[in-house]
Amino acid sequence: DAGVIQSPRHEVTEMGQEVTLRCKPISGHNSLFWYRQTMMRGLELLIYFNNNVPIDDSGMPEDRFSAKMPNASFSTLKIQPSEPRDSAVYFCASTWGTSGQSEQYFGPGTRLTVT
Amino acid sequence: KNEVEQSPQNLTAQEGEFITINCSYSVGISALHWLQQHPGGGIVSLFMLSSGKKKHGRLIATINIQEKHSSLHITASHPRDSAVYICAVTMNRDDKIIFGKGTRLHILP
Repeated sequence: DAGVIQSPRHEVTEMGQEVTLRCKPISGHNSLFWYRQTMMRGLELLIYFNNNVPIDDSGMPEDRFSAKMPNASFSTLKIQPSEPRDSAVYFCASTWGTSGQSEQYFGPGTRLTVT
Repeated sequence: KNEVEQSPQNLTAQEGEFITINCSYSVGISALHWLQQHPGGGIVSLFMLSSGKKKHGRLIATINIQEKHSSLHITASHPRDSAVYICAVTMNRDDKIIFGKGTRLHILP
């Protein structure tokens, strides 16, 4: 198995632009998580899906952030409009089971820089 | 006060030394996770535990639910163990996962 796949690996964009991050979970996993990591705040859970349904999005910072999971093999995290404070590494992780009760498999992350 | 506290924040040791990283939490949990993040940035799940002790190779994780404390031990440490080790807990009340700030470990050859 290829593991969790994220794209792009690096993204540099200007403030105000729309950014879309993509994630393909491990085949057979039914839960998917989006995390953000910054030096100041460390790792934070943004949103998680179970069976393609968003279960908890309370970690999404504000309305500029949205996430979708149209099917079991694909999810997107969109930021519109982007701001410099959104600069961070965004990780996607997947697992079999619900929430944090199972071992999670992390993707390589997308490093986002907003100038 | 953070709900998950790790100590130490930074640790430098010589190759071969026995390493202990601590994690304390203040909430009711259903699971505790230890993660490893290498300098390249990738994150790997090392352990998930809810009681007792788990061992994988030179790594041992223990948890004391009553004391709300977990430790990660590395025996016969090696420079390739140099990484950031992150403790995370799944909270009972809402299944949310919250993370410690990590412990940066540097093993000198």
